[in-house]
Amino acid sequence: IAGITQAPTSQILAAGRRMTLRCTQDMRHNAMYWYRQDLGLGLRLIHYSNTAGTTGKGEVPDGYSVSRANTDDFPLTLASAVPSQTSVYFCASSVVAGNYNEQFFGPGTRLTVL
Amino acid sequence: KNEVEQSPQNLTAQEGEFITINCSYSVGISALHWLQQHPGGGIVSLFMLSSGKKKHGRLIATINIQEKHSSLHITASHPRDSAVYICAVAANYQLIWGAGTKLIIKP
Repeated sequence: IAGITQAPTSQILAAGRRMTLRCTQDMRHNAMYWYRQDLGLGLRLIHYSNTAGTTGKGEVPDGYSVSRANTDDFPLTLASAVPSQTSVYFCASSVVAGNYNEQFFGPGTRLTVL
Repeated sequence: KNEVEQSPQNLTAQEGEFITINCSYSVGISALHWLQQHPGGGIVSLFMLSSGKKKHGRLIATINIQEKHSSLHITASHPRDSAVYICAVAANYQLIWGAGTKLIIKP
């Protein structure tokens, strides 16, 4: 693989179900991010990780959890999905954390919660 | 009021036209990013700038720190430039995102 991959590409999920969105990068980037994108709104940061073993909360963390067991993987888990979590989810990474670093984005996961 | 405002929200133009997309922000920033989101959804970084002007092919980005304003210009626009263009400002160790400008270039 080259760059960032996300899985699944899309998913329809019943409310109350648990779901994990996967994100893997092969660029050995230290920092990784999860965003959601909703119509008419800018990207909103859910959680981030500056380096393996550390995570932090973004602007809209409620209802989501992340882990960063190694450099390459940064899964996002919805413990009990709700319809308001219907969105397009983007994973991104950068060489290191910080404002000056270009972020590279995955192709996105379109999630619908019914 | 949003901290990052883009204008226009939507822009339709004819092939060959000179395009300008604007980004205004209300916070102190250390850098500003312009990104492009293709119709298929993929997001790519175009520019990162903290002063002056940068050029890449037919794309030019400028920033005026004093006026808290940046512009993205596209010269000799082409239908393949049709996309959503997103401005994001780096402030307090986080990125604040604009809502995007949807550009359609008609042949």
